[in-house]
Amino acid sequence: QVQLQESGPELLKASETLSLTCSVSGDSIGLYYWGWIRQPAGKRLEWIGHIYMNGRTNYNPSLNSRVTMSVDTSKNDFSLRLTSVTAADTAVYFCARARWFGESLSFVNWGPGARVTVSS
Amino acid sequence: QSELTQPPSASTTPGQSVTISCFGGSSNVATNAVNWYRHLPGTAPELLIYRDGQRASGVPDRFSGSRSGTSASLAIRGLQSGDEGDYFCATWDDILNGPVFGGGTKLTVL
Repeated sequence: QVQLQESGPELLKASETLSLTCSVSGDSIGLYYWGWIRQPAGKRLEWIGHIYMNGRTNYNPSLNSRVTMSVDTSKNDFSLRLTSVTAADTAVYFCARARWFGESLSFVNWGPGARVTVSS
Repeated sequence: QSELTQPPSASTTPGQSVTISCFGGSSNVATNAVNWYRHLPGTAPELLIYRDGQRASGVPDRFSGSRSGTSASLAIRGLQSGDEGDYFCATWDDILNGPVFGGGTKLTVL
């Protein structure tokens, strides 16, 4: 059974760069899509983006200029980088394994989430 | 509409059934299959239903999903206290060119 675990700093200051890593165990990181989703307190989930094992990415247009995702097949993990953070980026960040079923991308397995707080 | 709308809460008693709705628009639910997830705060969200009505691995047949027009539904029968949680729908949005999520429905089994 695949397991995902997010890791990274919990507290950032405005203008810093958020860096999170998702460690994958129980399966190879190859052959799947991998995504990042976040949820600010009291708000709905927001898709940040996803990446395929070959490095092809798809980012939310609202974050596109600040987001970079990467995959490290040697470590079996993938990462999220979000630059110039503000208080609006305070959220629980989830990593997930995704699969295409027809025309929809389903997040099949999720990590428990990492809470990130940005102070001004 | 690009957002998916769900009722904020639902409640029922053990053994009963409940249906949770998800309303979207022409760029998402009308044209793309819907997935359903359950989330207990502090834990990893769990995929329940994908492609409108396909149950994910290990999900009992008490759970079923459907989609028609710009709305989708998740039905749960024979409710148990362990079914409590936040249920949210999601699908691909052609305008966003990415997934969109519903606001979630908090299910309480009294």
